Amino acid sequence: GAVVSQHPSRVICKSGTSVKIECRSLDFQATTMFWYRQFPKQSLMLMATSNEGSKATYEQGVEKDKFLINHASLTLSTLTVTSAHPEDSSFYICSARDLRTSGGQETQYFGPGTRLLVL
Amino acid sequence: DAKTTQPNSMESNEEEPVHLPCNHSTISGTDYIHWYRQLPSQGPEYVIHGLTSNVNNRMASLAIAEDRKSSTLILHRATLRDAAVYYCILSVLGSNYKLTFGKGTLLTVNP
Repeated sequence: GAVVSQHPSRVICKSGTSVKIECRSLDFQATTMFWYRQFPKQSLMLMATSNEGSKATYEQGVEKDKFLINHASLTLSTLTVTSAHPEDSSFYICSARDLRTSGGQETQYFGPGTRLLVL
Repeated sequence: DAKTTQPNSMESNEEEPVHLPCNHSTISGTDYIHWYRQLPSQGPEYVIHGLTSNVNNRMASLAIAEDRKSSTLILHRATLRDAAVYYCILSVLGSNYKLTFGKGTLLTVNP
């Protein structure tokens, strides 16, 4: 149980185009999902917290107009990288917080990641 | 952010136990200690978490110091598949339990 999927796993796009990444919790419901970015040989950096039915909360320094997040249901969140540029090339990882746990014990289950390359 | 300190890297031999340390001297009473690991080119994987008492699950054991300022993740018999970066993270009430990843410990397992 507790499986999170991401689609696509890998995407190559031209500079200036937009890319959408989907994150799904397959066997549990998640009111909260998170989006992270990881550059080579670095740790994960939290970009935003996505809450079902409300606006996402972005971390300092993350452009909300560039990284659009939608959390339309308890099992799906999407991240759209708008007008992508080469510097947006990175490994994007989502996670979903299991609704059945709470209060500090909340476990996050991570997707396998999406590798974005912007040419 | 509540900070943790881990060694950059550790090495182990296959079939032997591994003790991965973590210092969290600024931990507060409501902060949970979480461990995740990340294999190359994959998303992190939950390992274990605890508050005060030692915890065991099928993957590992978590030993928490009495003053809670440090903890140790114990892999009882390391396998080659355990080679990964291990992250010790505090889940903090004040930050809505967001996970802040540090650099973690790169565990190498020798055959």
